[in-house]
Amino acid sequence: DAGVIQSPRHEVTEMGQEVTLRCKPISGHDYLFWYRQTMMRGLELLIYFNNNVPIDDSGMPEDRFSAKMPNASFSTLKIQPSEPRDSAVYFCASSLDGGNTEAFFGQGTRLTVV
Amino acid sequence: AQSVTQLGSHVSVSEGALVLLRCNYSSSVPPYLFWYVQYPNQGLQLLLKYTSAATLVKGINGFEAEFKKSETSFHLTKPSAHMSDAAEYFCAVRSTGGGNKLTFGTGTQLKVEL
Repeated sequence: DAGVIQSPRHEVTEMGQEVTLRCKPISGHDYLFWYRQTMMRGLELLIYFNNNVPIDDSGMPEDRFSAKMPNASFSTLKIQPSEPRDSAVYFCASSLDGGNTEAFFGQGTRLTVV
Repeated sequence: AQSVTQLGSHVSVSEGALVLLRCNYSSSVPPYLFWYVQYPNQGLQLLLKYTSAATLVKGINGFEAEFKKSETSFHLTKPSAHMSDAAEYFCAVRSTGGGNKLTFGTGTQLKVEL
């Protein structure tokens, strides 16, 4: 398997624009996580899915953020409208079912909102 | 609820010296614990994990960690640091009591000096 695939790797957008980040998890994995990493706040869990169903979205900063998982092989994280403070690296990770299994991370999307 | 605390956001050691990165956890049920490493501009990769089979866990690159229930700790060690160990290290906890959510600590930046 190619691992967790995220696109794009880099995104630069203007404030107010819509941004969509994409993630393809490892085939067969039941869990998918979206994290945001910044210098100030570290690695924050935004939302995670189990079998395509959102389980906990308490980490989503505000209504401008939304995430979907229409099928087992694809998820999106959308920010609309984007703001400069959304600039961060966004990681997607996936894992098999069970608490004793590790999550595998994608390379991340570096988002810059100007 | 579950959480991890990493003491020391920055640790500096000399090449060849012992590496000790601290992690304490909080969990209402038996936890599964993980150490990840992140090199610059890359995603996170698993170093090792504790899944209750053995309290002393060996990982990649000569790292190991010991689970101590009495101290609620899972410190990461390496007997002799190498320049290539310079990176950021994250401790994480996952438990069925937490809905299988994977929660990270704030990270420790390891610097290795000649």
